[in-house]
Amino acid sequence: NAGVTQTPKFQVLKTGQSMTLQCAQDMNHNSMYWYRQDPGMGLRLIYYSASEGTTDKGEVPNGYNVSRLNKREFSLRLESAAPSQTSVYFCATLSAGAGGLGHTDTQYFGPGTRLTVL
Amino acid sequence: QQQVKQSPQSLIVQKGGISIINCAYENTAFDYFPWYQQFPGKGPALLIAIRPDVSEKKEGRFTISFNKSAKQFSLHIMDSQPGDSATYFCAAPISSGSARQLTFGSGTQLTVLP
Repeated sequence: NAGVTQTPKFQVLKTGQSMTLQCAQDMNHNSMYWYRQDPGMGLRLIYYSASEGTTDKGEVPNGYNVSRLNKREFSLRLESAAPSQTSVYFCATLSAGAGGLGHTDTQYFGPGTRLTVL
Repeated sequence: QQQVKQSPQSLIVQKGGISIINCAYENTAFDYFPWYQQFPGKGPALLIAIRPDVSEKKEGRFTISFNKSAKQFSLHIMDSQPGDSATYFCAAPISSGSARQLTFGSGTQLTVLP
């Protein structure tokens, strides 16, 4: 099992260019997430998808769009890249534990995409 | 709007020493407190987790201590090793929107000197 995979691993864009970050999982999890990680800011949620066909905004959605293509794939698109979007992007799934809120929920992360916008 | 506040931001420990990372929370509805470990160039991965009905959970050299009255939980790494050098995140589940979510602390970069 590959778990959660992301492509590309690295990308350099010029301001105004667009690109799509790809994510795929073979864990059969319903929920998928996109985070960005910046120094001193931790992991901030951009968008998430509870299941195929649904997407919702997270904490920092401006400048991004997402597509939940099917249960396995969840892509993140930057329509017009800005230097403020220079970051490391992580895709993740969630294995929901039994019981109450969050009880034993486990998040599984991909290896990340390092994006630089010049 | 960080719902879990983590400290310190960075920590340097000698090999064999004890590393301690702290997190504080406000929402008393949280019922599960995981810690994630991230090595350079990798995604975070679950390290250890605790439920608030116990005060301590130990797995090998890693221990979570939980203080419900103070709304704090901490990660202790005993006999710290250079291989423990990584970024550590505390987290808690939140009920928001259509999917279950974890909210993460800002992270602690741990360096264990040989």
